[in-house]
Amino acid sequence: KAGVTQTPRYLIKTRGQQVTLSCSPISGHRSVSWYQQTPGQGLQFLFEYFSETQRNKGNFPGRFSGRQFSNSRSEMNVSTLELGDSALYLCASSLGTGIQPQHFGDGTRLSIL
Amino acid sequence: GQQVMQIPQYQHVQEGEDFTTYCNSSTTLSNIQWYKQRPGGHPVFLIQLVKSGEVKKQKRLTFQFGEAKKNSSLHITATQTTDVGTYFCARARNNAGNMLTFGGGTRLMVKP
Repeated sequence: KAGVTQTPRYLIKTRGQQVTLSCSPISGHRSVSWYQQTPGQGLQFLFEYFSETQRNKGNFPGRFSGRQFSNSRSEMNVSTLELGDSALYLCASSLGTGIQPQHFGDGTRLSIL
Repeated sequence: GQQVMQIPQYQHVQEGEDFTTYCNSSTTLSNIQWYKQRPGGHPVFLIQLVKSGEVKKQKRLTFQFGEAKKNSSLHITATQTTDVGTYFCARARNNAGNMLTFGGGTRLMVKP
């Protein structure tokens, strides 16, 4: 069974630009969550999607948004990039029913210049 | 708030020594999950604890959930170089969904 796939693996952007990250969950998983990982703040929850609906949302500004498609694939968008958005963005999938183990992808390393 | 505090932040051990990381919460936890992240890698699920006083073992790893469900620990017996990485505890919200709040992690370094 293929794991969680995130693309691209690395991305370099400049301030003010926007970016879209993609995540393909494990087959059969309906929940997709996004996390931001930085040395200073650690692992922070961004949002979770289940059946194309945002089910949970973390404490991030509205510049961070996401969506989920009918095949459970998810995208995350960050607009008006700031230097502080440099981070590893991790996607995690799970079956979605009840509290489940999260299966993480390798992440997208976003660097803002 | 809903924070989980994890100590220590770093731990250096000699190969063969034991290692323990602790996770504490000011509020009762409905569950606790543990993850391991190798350097340059992604978090990998290790275990989930849900019952008061629960103890689970995976080979040299022992996971405990406190009687009051406000703390948890991960103990590794006789560490090996393959144990190197950062160990995170995480709580999941006790409602629909999979929103995890992670502790700050304990970075384990093992000297061969």
